Amino acid sequence: DIVMTQTPLSLSVTPGQPASISCKSSQSLLHSDGKTYLYWYLQKPGQPPQLLIYEVSNRFSGVPDRFSGSGSGTDFTLKISRVEAEDVGVYYCMQSIQLPPTFGGGTKVEIK
Amino acid sequence: EVQLVQSGAEVKKPGESLKISCKGSGYSFTSYWIGWVRQMPGKGLEWMGIIYPGDSDTRYSPSFQGQVTISADKSISTAYLQWSSLKASDTAMYYCARLGSSGGGFDYWGQGTLVTVSS
Repeated sequence: DIVMTQTPLSLSVTPGQPASISCKSSQSLLHSDGKTYLYWYLQKPGQPPQLLIYEVSNRFSGVPDRFSGSGSGTDFTLKISRVEAEDVGVYYCMQSIQLPPTFGGGTKVEIK
Repeated sequence: EVQLVQSGAEVKKPGESLKISCKGSGYSFTSYWIGWVRQMPGKGLEWMGIIYPGDSDTRYSPSFQGQVTISADKSISTAYLQWSSLKASDTAMYYCARLGSSGGGFDYWGQGTLVTVSS
């Protein structure tokens, strides 16, 4: 299975400040079809995960533009330009280039 | 509006069987894969498997193959996850989710079904 490694494990951020989460995969996530199958999810407390970013850098419908994704191959980053109180929760990256899809261990974001 | 509504919480004893459900609405149920994801207490997300309700094509994670059965009834737009003999280690929250049109990630999720297995 492809191993997804997220850092840091947790992040405490002052509202209005930026935040960044790294995700590294054990194999390249670039498919021969030209797509890179890397996704970002946010699981708010007591809620199911919600899709933020698909295929590295595409914001899902309704996701605020303060969220952005970047990266290629095996190294990826999720950035929040200005953290808001509603952004607290656990962020997960996920790969789906190979079955079974695997998730990173999660990064917990809290507000200072 | 796309919605996935899951059945309610369950409390079962080891060895019992269980089938939980996930009803889709607001989209063509037969045209999108539906998957199941496990989240054990205080832990991360694990991909269990997916089914294409249009033809019941099913794929399992090797970790869950033989441990659970995924099925779907397209006539009522409902997917299922079932166990024939529960173990205490099956205690977890289970989410269903729809695979997006790009085919890779889950775009819409159910609210989750908490399964507790305890003697």
